[in-house]
Amino acid sequence: GAGVSQSPSNKVTEKGKDVELRCDPISGHTALYWYRQSLGQGLEFLIYFQGNSAPDKSGLPSDRFSAERTGGSVSTLTIQRTQQEDSAVYLCASSLAPPPQETQYFGPGTRLLVL
Amino acid sequence: ELKVEQNPLFLSMQEGKNYTIYCNYSTTSDRLYWYRQDPGKSLESLFVLLSNGAVKQEGRLMASLDTKARLSTLHITAAVHDLSATYFCAVDRDNYGQNFVFGPGTRLSVLP
Repeated sequence: GAGVSQSPSNKVTEKGKDVELRCDPISGHTALYWYRQSLGQGLEFLIYFQGNSAPDKSGLPSDRFSAERTGGSVSTLTIQRTQQEDSAVYLCASSLAPPPQETQYFGPGTRLLVL
Repeated sequence: ELKVEQNPLFLSMQEGKNYTIYCNYSTTSDRLYWYRQDPGKSLESLFVLLSNGAVKQEGRLMASLDTKARLSTLHITAAVHDLSATYFCAVDRDNYGQNFVFGPGTRLSVLP
């Protein structure tokens, strides 16, 4: 079956521009996570959604970062006024329910480069 | 602040050998996760360890958890080239399955 998909797969943008990253979770998965992976900071949790609500957004690094989820399905991560330190791979994961009850499945990631 | 450490960060080993990767963490959480990442790929969930003394095994990999020592191990038996990847451990910060803190990863290279 279809896994978690993310788009775009690669994004190059200029410093100061806004970007939107999209995540399509596996159908029926209520839990959705965004992570960031960079050389300097490793893997970092950004935000967790249960359905359309985000009970834990404690990992968002600044108010330039926001995320929403509509219809309990697609999620969009928006970065405003991008900075070079935002360059990273942004990973999305989904699960039927939060672990450990259910397994997380990860998308292929969006590689963001801010020039 | 919750910290998760892994040792070693880089591991090069020959096929057929055994080795252990260590994951130390600084909180009292009793939920520990292991993931695998192939080069240029995304993450794959490997194991979930939920209590002190928990042991999970799949193929040549076996993971264990000692919550008192705040230590998890990932043991590799008779390594094969296909196991070459980066292995991450992660701790569930609040035990709610919502917020995970990852270790830096151990890059494993299995040489023929």
